Amino acid sequence: IAGITQAPTSQILAAGRRMTLRCTQDMRHNAMYWYRQDLGLGLRLIHYSNTAGTTGKGEVPDGYSVSRANTDDFPLTLASAVPSQTSVYFCASRRAGGSYNEQFFGPGTRLTVL
Amino acid sequence: GNSVTQMEGPVTLSEEAFLTINCTYTATGYPSLFWYVQYPGEGLQLLLKATKADDKGSNKGFEATYRKETTSFHLEKGSVQVSDSAVYFCALSDPFGNEKLTFGTGTRLTIIP
Repeated sequence: IAGITQAPTSQILAAGRRMTLRCTQDMRHNAMYWYRQDLGLGLRLIHYSNTAGTTGKGEVPDGYSVSRANTDDFPLTLASAVPSQTSVYFCASRRAGGSYNEQFFGPGTRLTVL
Repeated sequence: GNSVTQMEGPVTLSEEAFLTINCTYTATGYPSLFWYVQYPGEGLQLLLKATKADDKGSNKGFEATYRKETTSFHLEKGSVQVSDSAVYFCALSDPFGNEKLTFGTGTRLTIIP
């Protein structure tokens, strides 16, 4: 593994189903982020984690939850999917401890909720 | 709160044309500014950044200057290529908000031969 991986690549999901999007990084970055990308809205932050064991809410957290049990993994869970959660989801990570470090992005997960 | 406003697209240019994509921001304090690029089917990649006023970020022939007086960070390239076709995002990083990124809505650029 080099960088950030996300799984699945794409998924079609029935409304009401539970879904977990996986994100793993091998760069030992402290901070990790989940964004959703929607046409005309750019990327919006869902949840973030500054370090293992801590999480925080972003701009659009409702309907999503995250956990950060270790440094490498940052799964995003939709407890009961709704059609408005149809989007492309990107995970990102950043090395904390310095200023202005760039965020590195995964390839994304395209989720369709019917 | 923080916000980023960028030029709406799509933008279509001929190869070798001059490119400008406008970006302005609103922020408290002194944010860092970024341009990210998203090629078709891929995630975002950092294109360039600037961390303080009057800094110029540059990469792959693209440039942007951090203008505090106009709160702008416009992206420019003197001669675009077909391979520059992508979606470009302007973003700022809030040093008082755990470096979370705030993105603009993105500008789709298409270069025709």
